[in-house]
Amino acid sequence: AQSVTQPDIHITVSEGASLELRCNYSYGATPYLFWYVQSPGQGLQLLLKYFSGDTLVQGIKGFEAEFKRSQSSFNLRKPSVHWSDAAEYFCAVGGYNQGGKLIFGQGTELSVKP
Amino acid sequence: SQTIHQWPATLVQPVGSPLSLECTVEGTSNPNLYWYRQAAGRGLQLLFYSVGIGQISSEVPQNLSASRPQDRQFILSSKKLLLSDSGFYLCACRPRTGELFFGEGSRLTVL
Repeated sequence: AQSVTQPDIHITVSEGASLELRCNYSYGATPYLFWYVQSPGQGLQLLLKYFSGDTLVQGIKGFEAEFKRSQSSFNLRKPSVHWSDAAEYFCAVGGYNQGGKLIFGQGTELSVKP
Repeated sequence: SQTIHQWPATLVQPVGSPLSLECTVEGTSNPNLYWYRQAAGRGLQLLFYSVGIGQISSEVPQNLSASRPQDRQFILSSKKLLLSDSGFYLCACRPRTGELFFGEGSRLTVL
């Protein structure tokens, strides 16, 4: 079965500290992986995506993620968090079969302390 | 680039009333279209997807239905709303190559 697990429901970090949000997936074929961010009451914005090639992908707002096939993981990282990064973060997996649908994790809410 | 319009943005409806949420897409042709629901404190649940006009796939049995009368129009409906239908509904578009683009969402409260 296809699924995405984000083990951390809520994370609090201090401004300027590093951040890592975890994502593990289960997918029967070669996965396409995504990280999205959502501010309260808004839609979702794509941070970065992995389709193939270099397993370390760079995204917007200084985020990066690393695809590790052996661990079925796609963790999101940022070296120095800014207060404006406080939001909810979603990991997603999908392909181009079955209508190209994406399966989302439950999300991780990030709070940033001053 | 793609732009997704959803309306209404906010809706408060009594139990048993009908529902119609509309989504239109600009900037792409023949996209795959999706309706997701986000309940409070939960992730995104895929409700329906469509790969073309009149083609609807339902992911979960429920009180809702979807239609795609035109290439870039996707409608979510219900004949009689339940309390459990409350949530944040997101329309999304995926061109044939690329990622998922989301609209700004429609918040539905059923009282």
